Amino acid sequence: SQQGEEDPQALSIQEGENATMNCSYKTSINNLQWYRQNSGRGLVHLILIRSNEREKHSGRLRVTLDTSKKSSSLLITASRAADTASYFCATDGWYNFNKFYFGSGTKLNVKP
Amino acid sequence: GAGVSQSPRYKVTKRGQDVTLRCDPISSHATLYWYQQALGQGPEFLTYFNYEAQPDKSGLPSDRFSAERPEGSISTLTIQRTEQRDSAMYRCASSSLAGGYPLNEQFFGPGTRLTVL
Repeated sequence: SQQGEEDPQALSIQEGENATMNCSYKTSINNLQWYRQNSGRGLVHLILIRSNEREKHSGRLRVTLDTSKKSSSLLITASRAADTASYFCATDGWYNFNKFYFGSGTKLNVKP
Repeated sequence: GAGVSQSPRYKVTKRGQDVTLRCDPISSHATLYWYQQALGQGPEFLTYFNYEAQPDKSGLPSDRFSAERPEGSISTLTIQRTEQRDSAMYRCASSSLAGGYPLNEQFFGPGTRLTVL
């Protein structure tokens, strides 16, 4: 079974609004990553946050990590239609940092 | 190369046949991963290589699945005696090593869509 699970499963917003999606995981990690997948295409790395970091920013993306709650959130500000995609979190294993667990993703639809 | 490439992009086969999928990673990347992705789901780890070494095969679903990377560059994933449940997207990704540790950002290929009839 996969370690990371995203919530909500689907999210529909208007262009310009903010989108927040969450990821929960089960065991200790070294780092957590977020990936985007446009319909039918490959996955693209968005941002990585290490277990000793609490918040990270990259452009319109903001990621938080709460290791005590084993959860992370991805915030996309001022969303655009081009942000329409599935978003996945991926965690590694504490003792095996080469083995990655992906959740089932959040499908984001940004309406123009 | 400029990115990770995979071939074929689509493969249709009959149950019981063997298939081999190919991954050509970014040339400077030491680490290569194979994932299986079902429709509407996230990728599931199959195995990975550091150069030609394969330290973890724990995600391979059965002994019908095997992977190779004999020269530490191109990799193949072979599925013997395919079954309908093997139908999925098979994705390859690569990443760099620094000081022996992965940099973790994975660059994914476009995938091979396998359909077993």
